[in-house]
Amino acid sequence: EAGVAQSPRYKIIEKRQSVAFWCNPISGHATLYWYQQILGQGPKLLIQFQNNGVVDDSQLPKDRFSAERLKGVDSTLKIQPAKLEDSAVYLCASSLGAGELETQYFGPGTRLLVL
Amino acid sequence: QQQVKQSPQSLIVQKGGISIINCAYENTAFDYFPWYQQFPGKGPALLIAIRPDVSEKKEGRFTISFNKSAKQFSLHIMDSQPGDSATYFCAAVRPGDRDDKIIFGKGTRLHILP
Repeated sequence: EAGVAQSPRYKIIEKRQSVAFWCNPISGHATLYWYQQILGQGPKLLIQFQNNGVVDDSQLPKDRFSAERLKGVDSTLKIQPAKLEDSAVYLCASSLGAGELETQYFGPGTRLLVL
Repeated sequence: QQQVKQSPQSLIVQKGGISIINCAYENTAFDYFPWYQQFPGKGPALLIAIRPDVSEKKEGRFTISFNKSAKQFSLHIMDSQPGDSATYFCAAVRPGDRDDKIIFGKGTRLHILP
């Protein structure tokens, strides 16, 4: 079974630039999550999708971050404009459904460095 | 406000020894407590999890001990091996109708000496 795919794996940008990350979840997984993991900390949930609808984006800095999952499969996370403090690993995860964290799998993450 | 406190920040254990990582939570609404293992360059992977209706859960060399009254839970790794060297995160989950309010600890970097 293929895992959660993410791209790119690494990205270096200058502050105020824009960046986008892509995630392809495990086939059949209805719930998709984006997490931010700052160095030395645990992941922090940014947004959770159920199919193509947002069920929780309470910790997403909406003035600069946006995410979509238009067809209920792939998802993109965008930062515009980036700040230095956005340097982190952005993890995508998917699960069969909400409340089924036993089925949650993480992708390898995209490591973002903002200069 | 940090809702899940994890300690220690780093841990060195001899091969064959017992590794113990502790976590404490504040919100009594949490009802699911997973532990994740993360290797460098990889995403976290679910290792073992427990619900508050039991005090202990064991899977192979990994055991979770849960103390509901103290709002604490811990991960024990028996017969620790060099391959167990990784960062471990505890987490706590508060149920929602459609979302999973999951809060992670800050992680423990475990190193097993060969």
